[in-house]
Amino acid sequence: DSGVTQTPKHLITATGQRVTLRCSPRSGDLSVYWYQQSLDQGLQFLIHYYNGEERAKGNILERFSAQQFPDLHSELNLSSLELGDSALYFCASSFGLAGGVDKNIQYFGAGTRLSVL
Amino acid sequence: AQKITQTQPGMFVQEKEAVTLDCTYDTSDQSYGLFWYKQPSSGEMIFLIYQGSYDEQNATEGRYSLNFQKARKSANLVISASQLGDSAMYFCAMRQKTSYDKVIFGPGTSLSVIP
Repeated sequence: DSGVTQTPKHLITATGQRVTLRCSPRSGDLSVYWYQQSLDQGLQFLIHYYNGEERAKGNILERFSAQQFPDLHSELNLSSLELGDSALYFCASSFGLAGGVDKNIQYFGAGTRLSVL
Repeated sequence: AQKITQTQPGMFVQEKEAVTLDCTYDTSDQSYGLFWYKQPSSGEMIFLIYQGSYDEQNATEGRYSLNFQKARKSANLVISASQLGDSAMYFCAMRQKTSYDKVIFGPGTSLSVIP
């Protein structure tokens, strides 16, 4: 158990809908990251929050947004869902910020499997 | 641009044998970190091992070791004494200093351990 909690584990919804994925980081971790894993794109970095502030954006669509709350949990909001948004969405957390050789391991949650029908 | 290559889509290994999973990376940074993660069929991503670009010794964590060859830009994962529970997808990943906390992942290698 990594200590990162993601809910729900599974989500089935229809095209055009909006969903919210939730992540609670490991105790003491200030950074939260969101990733999308799909068969055709592999594992893609979406966005990073540190202590409530957005730090970096990756391949995140405009229909997607995220935030990190004062208690450090984070939510990823996906709207106007399309079939291609079906994927496994991971949240990861780490203690702080890091660049290059700083170890600052990202620990992953179990993921939320989103199916858009 | 930074890139991770894992040339072995699938690998088989006999139980109790050692296996090497290949990873090459492309970066112009001198400062970077390399990671290996395991993803079993249940889906979670499990951190295995880390190597910093300035580390002079190869990283080891239990049965896992990282064969780091900086000049060749390779960071192969060696699993010794394979167990049935090692059957999973294995991902090599990298973080560059210039891209700070953004970690990029390779396409993964599927390892199957045969009894």
